[in-house]
Amino acid sequence: DGGITQSPKYLFRKEGQNVTLSCEQNLNHDAMYWYRQDPGQGLRLIYYSQIVNDFQKGDIAEGYSVSREKKESFPLTVTSAQKNPTAFYLCASSTVSGGTIYNEQFFGPGTRLTVL
Amino acid sequence: SQELEQSPQSLIVQEGKNLTINCTSSKTLYGLYWYKQKYGEGLIFLMMLQKGGEEKSHEKITAKLDEKKQQSSLHITASQPSHAGIYLCGAAHNFNKFYFGSGTKLNVKP
Repeated sequence: DGGITQSPKYLFRKEGQNVTLSCEQNLNHDAMYWYRQDPGQGLRLIYYSQIVNDFQKGDIAEGYSVSREKKESFPLTVTSAQKNPTAFYLCASSTVSGGTIYNEQFFGPGTRLTVL
Repeated sequence: SQELEQSPQSLIVQEGKNLTINCTSSKTLYGLYWYKQKYGEGLIFLMMLQKGGEEKSHEKITAKLDEKKQQSSLHITASQPSHAGIYLCGAAHNFNKFYFGSGTKLNVKP
């Protein structure tokens, strides 16, 4: 079955540590996205990538970093510079038509990060 | 996101009742998406609307897009406990900007 996997489902981090969240898709989608979800605030875009070896900042990129070395993988690193990292993180992917990201996004199950 | 306003923020209905959730944009919509989320899980795609006046249905859920008003509504007929969850609208406003509303939490009382 095609889909998006995220790991781990739950992650605990001590202050000052960097952590990396995994996102893998086998849908052959060109575009991948990382969102952060906080209670009552919906989803906010952290980073997105439309092609391998290229990515753009979203609305809340500060304190995060990504890489896109393979089409299937888009890992997100939450660095110690992120002041309030406790949140639910969602990865998504989509096809790209005409260079736009208007197409339906498929979501992974999410990773809940808690800073101790 | 302030670009997409959803109402109501939460909703409790008796099983069997109809309900409507609204999503309003302050900018031109290039496509409107409805998703459903169970707490602590990923989003499940429901429907996509692109043209003004477009209406789509799937089982007991109907979504409409009024492009002139920059508004979309999601209507559930004869609600069931399985409809409970968080409903989010998402939309693209320009070339590479995609926004989500803050969500509407729906509870259906048996």
